[in-house]
Amino acid sequence: EAQVTQNPRYLITVTGKKLTVTCSQNMNHEYMSWYRQDPGLGLRQIYYSMNVEVTDKGDVPEGYKVSRKEKRNFPLILESPSPNQTSLYFCASRAAGGDGYTFGSGTRLTVV
Amino acid sequence: QKEVEQNSGPLSVPEGAIASLNCTYSDRGSQSFFWYRQYSGKSPELIMSIYSNGDKEDGRFTAQLNKASQYVSLLIRDSQPSDSATYLCAVNAGGTSYGKLTFGQGTILTVHP
Repeated sequence: EAQVTQNPRYLITVTGKKLTVTCSQNMNHEYMSWYRQDPGLGLRQIYYSMNVEVTDKGDVPEGYKVSRKEKRNFPLILESPSPNQTSLYFCASRAAGGDGYTFGSGTRLTVV
Repeated sequence: QKEVEQNSGPLSVPEGAIASLNCTYSDRGSQSFFWYRQYSGKSPELIMSIYSNGDKEDGRFTAQLNKASQYVSLLIRDSQPSDSATYLCAVNAGGTSYGKLTFGQGTILTVHP
C-alpha cells in the first residue's frame, strides 16, 4: 500500500530534550515536506526537500532541522524543544510533476 | 495580506444543496492549485487539483480557476452529511519553488440532513 508513515503518533517530552520524528514513504517520491498544524493558524510548512541532500526552508523553520540522506526518509529533528512547538505535525510526499502532497497520519507532540 | 485566503466560514448547507468554497491567493506566478479535505482528527486528503483556467469536474466536485482574478473555488453538488469536514485550499508557486505548498486557513463545512 502506497503510504507516508510517521512515528511516533503521540509524543510527550520535556523542554530541551532532543527528539526526532521519523517519516518514510514507499512511493519513490522526490519531494518530501513537514508541516505543523495549529488551531487558528492552519497548516504551515516547516521544511521541504526536493531530493536527496536537497532541502529548503518553509514558512516556519526556526527551531527545527531536517535531513534527507535517503530518498524514502525525511526525519524532523527538534534539537531543543520548547512549549511553543507543541503542535500536530504532518509529513508529506509528492512526485516531481505529480499532484499535491500525500500526507502521513500525523504526530501529536506536546512539550512541557 | 495572507498568501492564501479562504472564506472564513463555517459554512452550513442542507443535504442535497450545492456547497461553494472560495479561495484567493496573492502570488500571481502561482501555477498549481489544490483542494484538500480534512476530517476531524485525520490528515488532509487531496480531492481536486487544477492547473489551468476554467472548470474541472470530478464526480460531485467541480474546481474553478481564474488566474486573472487570482481566485480558486470548489463546488460540491448534492452535498451529503459525509462531506462535513474542513476544506483546505493549497497553492504551489511552481518552478524552483515546486516543493513549497501554501495552505489557506480552511473552511469548515457542515451538511445537515
